[in-house]
Amino acid sequence: DVKVTQSSRYLVKRTGEKVFLECVQDMDHENMFWYRQDPGLGLRLIYFSYDVKMKEKGDIPEGYSVSREKKERFSLILESASTNQTSMYLCASSPGIYETQYFGPGTRLLVL
Amino acid sequence: DAKTTQPPSMDCAEGRAANLPCNHSTISGNEYVYWYRQIHSQGPQYIIHGLKNNETNEMASLIITEDRKSSTLILPHATLRDTAVYYCIVRVSTQGGSEKLVFGKGMKLTVNP
Repeated sequence: DVKVTQSSRYLVKRTGEKVFLECVQDMDHENMFWYRQDPGLGLRLIYFSYDVKMKEKGDIPEGYSVSREKKERFSLILESASTNQTSMYLCASSPGIYETQYFGPGTRLLVL
Repeated sequence: DAKTTQPPSMDCAEGRAANLPCNHSTISGNEYVYWYRQIHSQGPQYIIHGLKNNETNEMASLIITEDRKSSTLILPHATLRDTAVYYCIVRVSTQGGSEKLVFGKGMKLTVNP
């Protein structure tokens, strides 16, 4: 089975802190994705990566950056966390551009 | 913006078939329709996808109309564990030449005993 893991299920940070959310997949997938999910808004794509060191902005990249130094790991970075970044963050991976995405369990981030 | 519209919620009796509708009237000829579901506090789970033909797997069936403007996900014998938010999604091309899934708000299916 495909396994996508995220470093934390719950995280509490303070405004202005730098936050790293880590995602690891064990199936040698080419593509990895970061979404955030908010009540009433569904899932929105932040960034995705289709190869090591390659990235593309999603629909709401402002306030975020990403890093993909190794194929299995995709990090989402909040350079200076703000309260409006309180959300559920979901990571996904897929074997190729046209393939099914597999999701991790999510990280619920609270920024105080 | 999502290219699909779904009713916000639906109820179904346990053991009966659940038919979940989705409209995608602006879908392009080479765009696939995907269905995912999300059980509370978990990540979304892939169910099925299709282009033109009807599809069936161990979880569900997908019926796509001939004009491809709408589709129906069928759970043949709904159980309480099928209670979830169901997302009908069209994969769209990005400016960078790759593709992405655009999730809408989904539809809450409640299976009642």
